[in-house]
Amino acid sequence: DTAVSQTPKYLVTQMGNDKSIKCEQNLGHDTMYWYKQDSKKFLKIMFSYNNKELIINETVPNRFSPKSPDKAHLNLHINSLELGDSAVYFCASSPGQKNIQYFGAGTRLSVL
Amino acid sequence: QKEVEQDPGPLSVPEGAIVSLNCTYSNSAFQYFMWYRQYSRKGPELLMYTYSSGNKEDGRFTAQVDKSSKYISLFIRDSQPSDSATYLCAIPSGGKSTFGDGTTLTVKP
Repeated sequence: DTAVSQTPKYLVTQMGNDKSIKCEQNLGHDTMYWYKQDSKKFLKIMFSYNNKELIINETVPNRFSPKSPDKAHLNLHINSLELGDSAVYFCASSPGQKNIQYFGAGTRLSVL
Repeated sequence: QKEVEQDPGPLSVPEGAIVSLNCTYSNSAFQYFMWYRQYSRKGPELLMYTYSSGNKEDGRFTAQVDKSSKYISLFIRDSQPSDSATYLCAIPSGGKSTFGDGTTLTVKP
């Protein structure tokens, strides 16, 4: 049973398109995150939700819109995709204590 | 100045070598210090963490924190090809974790 699962694993799309990535966790954690990892492996936090409420928004362009329908799900919608959006996007969840992060396997987004 | 800075690498060592991976941080109030391991095409996973200063050992891995110099290290003894991965230090604060840039380690048989 995968603890944090993301779909799709791969996403190849044209500039200007809109796409969504879905994330689900079955760990019972209250907090979920979206991270962007570039080609140099730098992992940067984008958003954090605690029990469906947005608590961290790290100056991400407003083309990126997260949505949390319940505390087990956190989706990411991206409008008007740009070349610079190409990266691996990771979803993570945390029980809160020590902020230990449990990551999904990532979604590799390529914008052509 | 970045909150967490990590020696960039990449690092390539022969099997059996001792590996030292290092990070520095800027805020003396930080209390927990994490190390994550990320295999190619996988998500990071927590390897180990320490609280405050001192050492913590787990098998071939030792995490060390020196709060006086704001320096954290991960040592790998008797490194194995299966240790080949990217290692990221991370420090939790304010409901989020700040990650170092990662050091990619290759252990050659």
